[in-house]
Amino acid sequence: QQPVQSPQAVILREGEDAVINCSSSKALYSVHWYRQKHGEAPVFLMILLKGGEQKGHDKISASFNEKKQQSSLYLTASQLSYSGTYFCGTGKATGTASKLTFGTGTRLQVTL
Amino acid sequence: DAGVIQSPRHEVTEMGQEVTLRCKPISGHDYLFWYRQTMMRGLELLIYFNNNVPIDDSGMPEDRFSAKMPNASFSTLKIQPSEPRDSAVYFCASSLGQGELYEQYFGPGTRLTVT
Repeated sequence: QQPVQSPQAVILREGEDAVINCSSSKALYSVHWYRQKHGEAPVFLMILLKGGEQKGHDKISASFNEKKQQSSLYLTASQLSYSGTYFCGTGKATGTASKLTFGTGTRLQVTL
Repeated sequence: DAGVIQSPRHEVTEMGQEVTLRCKPISGHDYLFWYRQTMMRGLELLIYFNNNVPIDDSGMPEDRFSAKMPNASFSTLKIQPSEPRDSAVYFCASSLGQGELYEQYFGPGTRLTVT
């Protein structure tokens, strides 16, 4: 079942912060985050594994709450280059599954 | 490394024709994934391979779709016969290990238009 992302779209001014949420109805083992610019392929941002860890690089970070079956992506001091559609991909690793189910996507536009 | 390579980048065909999409994964990657992306359904996994063996094809929409991986450096996705509803962007991705634990590297995609 496809994870649900919110919001569906957001417009920011450069320098503002944003939070993108990803919720699943199934127990999760891992959450991936990807960014896709218009007309291009998705590009990996980070993976979070079961354990409720938080990760980040530069001004983009993410958290994973396995009890709530959700993850959040935090973009701080947004830059024009952050514009694109963000997808979460959820994994239910049980030793047998090896695939991601991608969310509905969140379109982010950063303006001057 | 050149990354994941897909061909053709664009394909326009008429309904009923056979379409073959090609993918070369990153060398050394054991997993290969085929995705389809549409506005309505988002990014859907069609099939994935591990060490050239198809593991899960539950996402393949119907018998008109088939995929092969004859060796570690080449995979094809075939649609026969094609229908207008097959119009989408098809991505191939590869990863070093299990899909949910490792980063997936996506190819540039093939934009398929069936008229």
